[in-house]
Amino acid sequence: ETGVTQTPRHLVMGMTNKKSLKCEQHLGHNAMYWYKQSAKKPLELMFVYSLEERVENNSVPSRFSPECPNSSHLFLHLHTLQPEDSALYLCASSHTFGTGYNEQFFGPGTRLTVL
Amino acid sequence: GQNIDQPTEMTATEGAIVQINCTYQTSGFNGLFWYQQHAGEAPTFLSYNVLDGLEEKGRFSSFLSRSKGYSYLLLKELQMKDSASYLCAVSDSNYQLIWGAGTKLIIKP
Repeated sequence: ETGVTQTPRHLVMGMTNKKSLKCEQHLGHNAMYWYKQSAKKPLELMFVYSLEERVENNSVPSRFSPECPNSSHLFLHLHTLQPEDSALYLCASSHTFGTGYNEQFFGPGTRLTVL
Repeated sequence: GQNIDQPTEMTATEGAIVQINCTYQTSGFNGLFWYQQHAGEAPTFLSYNVLDGLEEKGRFSSFLSRSKGYSYLLLKELQMKDSASYLCAVSDSNYQLIWGAGTKLIIKP
C-alpha cells in the first residue's frame, strides 16, 4: 500500500449504530487530519493530530470521536449520528503541522450515509 | 469571519485556456494552495503560492496578489482529463487550511 488509505470506502448506518472509520498513511508523515466534504460546500476541517497529539478541534459535535494511536493511523469513531452527517469523510496527512508550505495528501474518502 | 470565494462552475473548450479566480479574506496568511479533485476521487495538490507573482508548472500556472487577497489558476492547452473541481485553500494564522467550495470545470470537445 502506498499513500493514504481509508476503510471502509462506503458506509451506511442507522442513527443508533456505532461505527469507526480508519485511515492509514504510508508516507512517514507526522500530521493527520479528518475533513468532512458535503456537496457544493467547502471542505470542513474536523480534527488535526500532530505527533499523535490533537492540536485542533473545530467545534465538532461529540458524536464524532477521533483517535490517533500512532503517527500512521487515525480513526474516527461515530455514534448516534444524524442524517445531516451524511457526507464524504476525507483523511489527509502532511509532513508536519504548523508551517506554511504543508502539502496535504488525501485518502480516497469514506462515503457515509446515515439513515 | 474567514471566507474563500471562487466561481461554482466554468466551461471551456479543449485546447483553450481558462482562468479560475479565487478571492479570500482570512485571519492571517501563510500561503495559498490549489488542489484538483476529480469526481469521486481525493483532492491532489497542484500549487502553492506565498509570495506575490506567478508560479508556472507545465500547463498550469498560479498567481497571487496578497494586497488584493486574490489568486488565479491558469490552465493552458486544456485536455478532457482536466475536467474536475479545482479547490482554492488558504493557510491562516493557525496554519489551518480554509477552503473554498471549489470550481467545477467542464471541458467540451
